[in-house]
Amino acid sequence: KNEVEQSPQNLTAQEGEFITINCSYSVGISALHWLQQHPGGGIVSLFMLSSGKKKHGRLIATINIQEKHSSLHITASHPRDSAVYICAVKNGGSQGNLIFGKGTKLSVKP
Amino acid sequence: DTAVSQTPKYLVTQMGNDKSIKCEQNLGHDTMYWYKQDSKKFLKIMFSYNNKELIINETVPNRFSPKSPDKAHLNLHINSLELGDSAVYFCASSQVFTGGYGYTFGSGTRLTVV
Repeated sequence: KNEVEQSPQNLTAQEGEFITINCSYSVGISALHWLQQHPGGGIVSLFMLSSGKKKHGRLIATINIQEKHSSLHITASHPRDSAVYICAVKNGGSQGNLIFGKGTKLSVKP
Repeated sequence: DTAVSQTPKYLVTQMGNDKSIKCEQNLGHDTMYWYKQDSKKFLKIMFSYNNKELIINETVPNRFSPKSPDKAHLNLHINSLELGDSAVYFCASSQVFTGGYGYTFGSGTRLTVV
Protein backbone atom coordinates (compact mmCIF):
# COMPACT_ATOMS: atom_id res chain seq x y z
CA LYS A 1 0.00 0.00 0.00
CA ASN A 2 1.33 3.40 -1.01
CA GLU A 3 2.06 5.83 1.79
CA VAL A 4 0.14 8.51 -0.11
CA GLU A 5 -3.23 7.62 -1.59
CA GLN A 6 -5.23 9.84 -3.89
CA SER A 7 -8.81 9.61 -5.04
CA PRO A 8 -10.24 9.52 -7.53
CA GLN A 9 -7.65 8.23 -10.00
CA ASN A 10 -9.55 9.71 -12.92
CA LEU A 11 -12.11 12.49 -12.93
CA THR A 12 -14.14 13.93 -15.78
CA ALA A 13 -16.11 17.11 -15.19
CA GLN A 14 -18.12 19.62 -17.16
CA GLU A 15 -16.87 23.16 -17.39
CA GLY A 16 -18.03 25.17 -14.40
CA GLU A 17 -18.29 22.27 -11.99
CA PHE A 18 -16.79 22.29 -8.51
CA ILE A 19 -14.06 19.67 -8.25
CA THR A 20 -12.56 17.93 -5.24
CA ILE A 21 -9.49 15.71 -5.23
CA ASN A 22 -8.60 13.88 -2.03
CA CYS A 23 -5.29 12.78 -0.56
CA SER A 24 -4.69 10.57 2.46
CA TYR A 25 -1.32 9.71 3.87
CA SER A 26 -0.05 7.25 6.45
CA VAL A 27 3.25 8.79 7.54
CA GLY A 28 4.07 11.70 9.79
CA ILE A 29 4.69 14.76 7.69
CA SER A 30 6.10 18.23 8.00
CA ALA A 31 4.44 19.53 4.83
CA LEU A 32 2.08 18.46 2.05
CA HIS A 33 2.32 19.63 -1.53
CA TRP A 34 -0.14 19.74 -4.37
CA LEU A 35 1.47 19.63 -7.80
CA GLN A 36 0.02 20.00 -11.28
CA GLN A 37 1.38 18.17 -14.30
CA HIS A 38 0.09 19.29 -17.66
CA PRO A 39 -0.12 17.02 -20.71
CA GLY A 40 3.15 18.54 -21.91
CA GLY A 41 4.79 16.99 -18.88
CA GLY A 42 5.98 19.99 -16.86
CA ILE A 43 5.33 19.96 -13.11
CA VAL A 44 4.19 23.05 -11.27
CA SER A 45 3.96 23.41 -7.51
CA LEU A 46 0.49 24.69 -6.60
CA PHE A 47 0.48 24.66 -2.81
CA MET A 48 2.56 23.73 0.16
CA LEU A 49 0.57 23.17 3.35
CA SER A 50 1.41 22.32 6.89
CA SER A 51 -1.93 23.28 8.42
CA GLY A 52 -5.27 24.85 7.64
CA LYS A 53 -6.20 26.17 4.25
CA LYS A 54 -4.69 28.07 1.36
CA LYS A 55 -6.35 29.75 -1.62
CA HIS A 56 -4.93 30.84 -4.94
CA GLY A 57 -7.37 32.06 -7.52
CA ARG A 58 -9.90 29.30 -8.15
CA LEU A 59 -7.82 26.72 -6.29
CA ILE A 60 -8.26 25.92 -2.60
CA ALA A 61 -6.21 23.41 -0.62
CA THR A 62 -7.02 22.19 2.86
CA ILE A 63 -5.28 19.85 5.24
CA ASN A 64 -6.37 18.06 8.41
CA ILE A 65 -3.26 16.93 10.21
CA GLN A 66 -5.13 14.83 12.79
CA GLU A 67 -6.98 12.91 10.08
CA LYS A 68 -3.96 12.81 7.76
CA HIS A 69 -6.04 14.06 4.90
CA SER A 70 -5.90 16.88 2.39
CA SER A 71 -8.23 18.08 -0.33
CA LEU A 72 -7.69 20.16 -3.42
CA HIS A 73 -10.72 22.04 -4.68
CA ILE A 74 -11.19 23.76 -8.01
CA THR A 75 -14.08 26.19 -8.30
CA ALA A 76 -15.67 27.09 -11.65
CA SER A 77 -13.56 24.50 -13.46
CA HIS A 78 -12.30 25.24 -16.95
CA PRO A 79 -10.88 23.01 -19.71
CA ARG A 80 -7.44 24.54 -19.09
CA ASP A 81 -7.56 22.93 -15.61
CA SER A 82 -7.23 19.56 -17.33
CA ALA A 83 -4.05 18.02 -15.96
CA VAL A 84 -2.78 15.43 -13.52
CA TYR A 85 -2.88 16.63 -9.93
CA ILE A 86 -0.36 15.04 -7.62
CA CYS A 87 -0.31 15.03 -3.84
CA ALA A 88 3.11 14.70 -2.23
CA VAL A 89 4.23 14.69 1.38
CA LYS A 90 7.49 15.59 3.00
CA ASN A 91 8.01 13.14 5.84
CA GLY A 92 10.24 13.35 8.85
CA GLY A 93 13.33 12.44 6.88
CA SER A 94 16.03 14.89 5.93
CA GLN A 95 16.51 17.17 2.98
CA GLY A 96 12.89 17.59 2.03
CA ASN A 97 12.38 14.44 -0.02
CA LEU A 98 8.84 14.02 -1.27
CA ILE A 99 6.70 10.89 -1.31
CA PHE A 100 4.20 11.09 -4.13
CA GLY A 101 0.68 9.88 -4.67
CA LYS A 102 -0.11 8.34 -8.03
CA GLY A 103 -1.95 11.38 -9.25
CA THR A 104 -5.49 12.23 -10.26
CA LYS A 105 -6.09 12.77 -13.95
CA LEU A 106 -8.65 15.53 -14.39
CA SER A 107 -10.39 16.21 -17.67
CA VAL A 108 -12.73 19.20 -17.87
CA LYS A 109 -15.05 19.16 -20.88
CA PRO A 110 -16.36 22.38 -22.42
CA ASP B 1 14.34 33.24 -16.91
CA THR B 2 14.07 29.52 -16.34
CA ALA B 3 14.37 28.71 -12.64
CA VAL B 4 15.30 25.02 -12.98
CA SER B 5 16.61 23.99 -16.37
CA GLN B 6 17.35 20.49 -17.55
CA THR B 7 19.12 19.40 -20.70
CA PRO B 8 18.49 17.61 -22.90
CA LYS B 9 14.69 17.54 -23.06
CA TYR B 10 14.75 14.30 -25.06
CA LEU B 11 17.43 11.63 -25.09
CA VAL B 12 17.36 8.49 -27.21
CA THR B 13 20.23 6.09 -26.80
CA GLN B 14 21.21 2.47 -27.15
CA MET B 15 21.49 -0.09 -24.40
CA GLY B 16 24.89 -0.18 -22.79
CA ASN B 17 25.71 3.46 -23.43
CA ASP B 18 26.66 5.98 -20.75
CA LYS B 19 24.75 9.27 -20.68
CA SER B 20 24.37 12.38 -18.59
CA ILE B 21 21.50 14.74 -17.91
CA LYS B 22 22.32 18.23 -16.69
CA CYS B 23 20.37 20.34 -14.23
CA GLU B 24 20.89 23.91 -13.14
CA GLN B 25 18.89 26.14 -10.81
CA ASN B 26 19.18 29.90 -10.48
CA LEU B 27 16.95 30.25 -7.43
CA GLY B 28 19.69 30.07 -4.82
CA HIS B 29 18.06 26.97 -3.33
CA ASP B 30 20.15 24.85 -0.99
CA THR B 31 18.91 21.42 -2.03
CA MET B 32 18.49 19.70 -5.38
CA TYR B 33 16.80 16.45 -6.33
CA TRP B 34 16.39 13.92 -9.07
CA TYR B 35 13.06 12.20 -9.50
CA LYS B 36 12.09 9.41 -11.89
CA GLN B 37 8.62 9.18 -13.43
CA ASP B 38 7.87 5.74 -14.77
CA SER B 39 5.54 4.68 -17.55
CA LYS B 40 2.62 4.70 -15.12
CA LYS B 41 3.40 8.34 -14.31
CA PHE B 42 4.46 7.54 -10.75
CA LEU B 43 7.15 9.84 -9.37
CA LYS B 44 9.87 8.55 -7.07
CA ILE B 45 12.84 10.19 -5.45
CA MET B 46 16.23 9.07 -6.69
CA PHE B 47 18.63 11.45 -4.98
CA SER B 48 18.63 14.53 -2.87
CA TYR B 49 21.74 16.63 -2.36
CA ASN B 50 22.92 19.74 -0.65
CA ASN B 51 26.44 20.86 0.00
CA LYS B 52 26.59 18.71 3.10
CA GLU B 53 24.86 15.49 2.33
CA LEU B 54 23.89 13.17 -0.48
CA ILE B 55 20.96 10.91 0.20
CA ILE B 56 20.44 8.05 -2.17
CA ASN B 57 17.23 6.09 -2.49
CA GLU B 58 18.38 2.55 -1.81
CA THR B 59 16.33 1.20 -4.70
CA VAL B 60 18.33 3.20 -7.25
CA PRO B 61 20.92 1.05 -9.07
CA ASN B 62 24.51 2.15 -8.60
CA ARG B 63 24.71 2.72 -12.36
CA PHE B 64 23.08 6.05 -11.52
CA SER B 65 25.27 8.66 -9.91
CA PRO B 66 24.68 12.32 -9.17
CA LYS B 67 27.46 14.84 -9.65
CA SER B 68 27.33 18.33 -8.17
CA PRO B 69 30.09 20.70 -9.25
CA ASP B 70 28.48 23.50 -7.21
CA LYS B 71 25.26 24.20 -5.34
CA ALA B 72 23.49 25.40 -8.49
CA HIS B 73 24.08 22.20 -10.45
CA LEU B 74 23.17 18.56 -9.96
CA ASN B 75 23.88 16.38 -12.97
CA LEU B 76 22.76 12.78 -13.36
CA HIS B 77 25.13 10.23 -14.86
CA ILE B 78 23.88 6.86 -15.98
CA ASN B 79 26.24 4.03 -16.90
CA SER B 80 25.45 0.93 -18.94
CA LEU B 81 21.93 2.02 -19.80
CA GLU B 82 19.19 -0.62 -19.74
CA LEU B 83 15.78 -0.74 -21.38
CA GLY B 84 14.14 -0.34 -17.98
CA ASP B 85 15.83 3.01 -17.50
CA SER B 86 13.45 4.52 -20.05
CA ALA B 87 11.44 7.12 -18.15
CA VAL B 88 11.08 10.83 -17.62
CA TYR B 89 13.62 12.25 -15.20
CA PHE B 90 12.83 15.45 -13.32
CA CYS B 91 15.26 17.68 -11.55
CA ALA B 92 13.93 19.88 -8.75
CA SER B 93 15.19 22.26 -6.13
CA SER B 94 13.98 23.64 -2.83
CA GLN B 95 15.14 25.79 0.03
CA VAL B 96 15.13 23.39 2.95
CA PHE B 97 17.41 24.72 5.62
CA THR B 98 15.99 28.19 5.94
CA GLY B 99 12.43 26.99 5.75
CA GLY B 100 9.79 26.81 3.07
CA TYR B 101 10.18 23.42 1.47
CA GLY B 102 8.60 24.92 -1.67
CA TYR B 103 9.67 23.01 -4.76
CA THR B 104 10.50 24.11 -8.28
CA PHE B 105 10.71 21.44 -10.95
CA GLY B 106 12.56 21.32 -14.22
CA SER B 107 10.64 20.47 -17.37
CA GLY B 108 11.85 16.89 -17.44
CA THR B 109 14.11 14.78 -19.65
CA ARG B 110 12.46 11.95 -21.55
CA LEU B 111 15.00 9.14 -21.79
CA THR B 112 14.36 6.34 -24.25
CA VAL B 113 16.71 3.38 -24.28
CA VAL B 114 16.50 1.22 -27.40
